[in-house]
Amino acid sequence: DIQLTQSPSSLSASVGDRVTITCRASQSISSYLNWYQQKPGKAPKLLIYAASSLQSGVPSRFSGSGSGTDFTLTISSLQPEDFATYYCQQSYSTQWTFGQGTRVEIK
Amino acid sequence: EVQLVESGGGLVQPGGSLRLSCAASGFTVSSNYMSWVRQAPGKGLEWVSVIYSSYITYYADSVKGRFTISRDNSKNTLYLQMNSLRIDDTALYYCASGLALRDFQHWGQGTLVTVSS
Repeated sequence: DIQLTQSPSSLSASVGDRVTITCRASQSISSYLNWYQQKPGKAPKLLIYAASSLQSGVPSRFSGSGSGTDFTLTISSLQPEDFATYYCQQSYSTQWTFGQGTRVEIK
Repeated sequence: EVQLVESGGGLVQPGGSLRLSCAASGFTVSSNYMSWVRQAPGKGLEWVSVIYSSYITYYADSVKGRFTISRDNSKNTLYLQMNSLRIDDTALYYCASGLALRDFQHWGQGTLVTVSS
């Protein structure tokens, strides 16, 4: 199975900060990588698909990059509503997998 | 408006069975790929299964041979038949729809499955 490792597992940041979360795959997954945001008690929300495509309705401060094994999710200017847990997910293989999540907390 | 509504969760003993349903509206389940994703209490997300429009199905190794995903196009509903349930199957089960690389584009609110004696 393809393992996805996110780093960091958690971070503390202030409103207005630039935040970067990385996701590393155990083997190449081309661009079959998506990013989700989940707030407590809510279903996840798709932010980025195919590594770098912004899902409709998602603010442009979110961006994704990468291909192969290394990917990043960047929030250019953190807003109060962005405090949440973020997950990467791959569908390159028939065994889809998620990263373990990155919790973004208020500093 | 796209809506997914799960039902069928509950308390079941180890070794028991349960069938989850996910009623879709605003789109047709046969034209998308439909998945189940679960989240154990306080834990991360775990993909469970997917069914494509072609009826091809895939399962996570942790549920293979015990769970079966299916859909009823006439009812526009997705199902997950869960047999031989184990304590570690306890989780909130979400259904999700996907299209063109947007694997989990729309999500339901989840239905809770608790496996306990």
